[in-house]
Amino acid sequence: EPEVTQTPSHQVTQMGQEVILRCVPISNHLYFYWYRQILGQKVEFLVSFYNNEISEKSEIFDDQFSVERPDGSNFTLKIRSTKLEDSAMYFCASRAGTSGNSPSTDTQYFGPGTRLTVL
Amino acid sequence: GNSVTQMEGPVTLSEEAFLTINCTYTATGYPSLFWYVQYPGEGLQLLLKATKADDKGSNKGFEATYRKETTSFHLEKGSVQVSDSAVYFCALKIQGAQKLVFGQGTRLTINP
Repeated sequence: EPEVTQTPSHQVTQMGQEVILRCVPISNHLYFYWYRQILGQKVEFLVSFYNNEISEKSEIFDDQFSVERPDGSNFTLKIRSTKLEDSAMYFCASRAGTSGNSPSTDTQYFGPGTRLTVL
Repeated sequence: GNSVTQMEGPVTLSEEAFLTINCTYTATGYPSLFWYVQYPGEGLQLLLKATKADDKGSNKGFEATYRKETTSFHLEKGSVQVSDSAVYFCALKIQGAQKLVFGQGTRLTINP
């Protein structure tokens, strides 16, 4: 069964450093997402991406964050200058979708996550 | 705004017990409702979903019914197993919006 994959599984970085989290969505999916889960808190939406542009983003997704689909298969989240409070589990998700957003294609499939630790 | 509230955890049950995890929501418009499960060390997996009022989602013995009148989507299972130990997340998605809005998660532990 196709699945979303993420690398690395765990990333440790120093405050102020740039990190890139990588995701390979399910191959025929059109919509891509990043969420994060700070330890002990809710899973929070960061950004959605469709047709090579951001379609929705949360207030968390400020200028320090960017997303890219560089080669038609990978989907990346870059944090330019990490802060201690960026430490979290980051989940990538993808959705098949149609232009009508019908309920049958509503399901988002999640990857296993990348645990980011900022020291 | 749109939000999801789940019952406080952790929940600890014995094997073969009946499970209910409460979930209520506040939403503008008519959301689709989901239950996701996160097994230890793994990502979020879709457990079941319902897209309109009175729909019942079911999978692996779990069920949840979309109740518009009580704005609820409670998760139930008649006889839990040790392998059901995980964190369960209730979530909603407003039609036309992109994001899922999650509850805080409920950690379930089943003892043999």
